[in-house]
Order: sequence, then C-alpha cells, then structure tokens
Amino acid sequence: GAVVSQHPSWVICKSGTSVKIECRSLDFQATTMFWYRQFPKQSLMLMATSNEGSKATYEQGVEKDKFLINHASLTLSTLTVTSAHPEDSSFYICSARDFRVITAENYTDTQYFGPGTRLTVL
Amino acid sequence: SQQGEEDPQALSIQEGENATMNCSYKTSINNLQWYRQNSGRGLVHLILIRSNEREKHSGRLRVTLDTSKKSSSLLITASRAADTASYFCATEVFGNEKLTFGTGTRLTIIP
Repeated sequence: GAVVSQHPSWVICKSGTSVKIECRSLDFQATTMFWYRQFPKQSLMLMATSNEGSKATYEQGVEKDKFLINHASLTLSTLTVTSAHPEDSSFYICSARDFRVITAENYTDTQYFGPGTRLTVL
Repeated sequence: SQQGEEDPQALSIQEGENATMNCSYKTSINNLQWYRQNSGRGLVHLILIRSNEREKHSGRLRVTLDTSKKSSSLLITASRAADTASYFCATEVFGNEKLTFGTGTRLTIIP
C-alpha cells in the first residue's frame, strides 16, 4: 500500500513554544490530507481537513489559530501547534487520501495513515 | 455525533480462537472501513466495505455490514499473537470524504 510519513515521530517542548509536524505522502499525490488527535486509549478525533492550495477546514471546537495547517503541495501538509501548553500533549496522526478512478464504474478511495507524532509539552 | 460505538471495548482470547468485534453507527453511510492500530503507532487499513455490500473477505478477516441496523462486524479467524492491537471502525458518508472513527476495541491474543 501507499506510504505516508510523519516527522518528527516524537517531540518534547517547553510550554509556550511552537511545534511543526510534517505529513508526507511518499508515493502518491494527495489533494486532501487529514489531521487527527488521539488521547491515550481513546479513538481518533478529526481536527481538520487540509486541501492542497486552499484553507483548511476545521472541525467544531478546534482553534484554527492554535493549530495552523498548511498544505502547500500535493505531497506535504504541515500542522503547527502554536504556543503549546501541556493540555496540547497528545498523539497527532495525519492521513492522506488516495483517490483513483479505475474504470467508469470502479474507483478506490483510501486514506493512508502516518505513523503518528507524540507531542509532550512540559 | 456520528461517532460509532464499538463493542466490546476490550476482548481477550486464546490464540487460535476467533475474535469478533462489532461497530454501530448513527447515519447513512457511503462506506465503512476497519483499521488496526498497534500501541503508539499509526493506523493500518484492513478492509473497506461499501454500503451496497453485505460481506467482504480478506485473508483471515471477514467483515459484514447491515445498513438496516447500522452495524458492522469484523471477524478475525484463527487469531495469532500478532493480531493483538486496537481495532477501529470508521464511516464515510456520501458527499463527505471525512472519516468518523468508532470508539475502538482493544484485542489481546493470549499465546
């Protein structure tokens, strides 16, 4: 299957600093990428949908000024956690959508997930 | 919220037994997908079943979908220790590419 990478895999930072997380689709182009947040032993919660060349669409309750998303190319989306605080500590996972038309009646539409980034804010 | 509920929340079985997990959701869907997540890692896509499909197989995995009951099940046959992970269902609705994840089932296979 397709490969999505995230960098860094983990980061520890001081409260008040900003942290940038990169999400790359390595062997396909993704017009749409998604950012999720996962707390320990909980499910993934969608934070925002990132579309190449346009503004991200944020889910209700997610502060867009707090979580800046940039999708500057078809293979790269970045999430910047600005002025991070301990409550922002979490596991952040991105996914990239691989949509391919096979025939007029058949298509594949799969989200491939990155390995995640564990953020710890001290 | 569309978030699905999965049951059981946790399941422990002996290696070689079959494991069944269930997922229920709230609104009409375009497709339903199952993912596996090993502890602290990303998600691995297992199988996708479309709303007009009732059953799908992939290796030791069998997925069923009952749209009238808004539910799906994932069966893992002849379980192995390596199947130990959390399993999530995720739904996609028509006209919306977003996935909404269920609460997950933590599966432990006892060697």
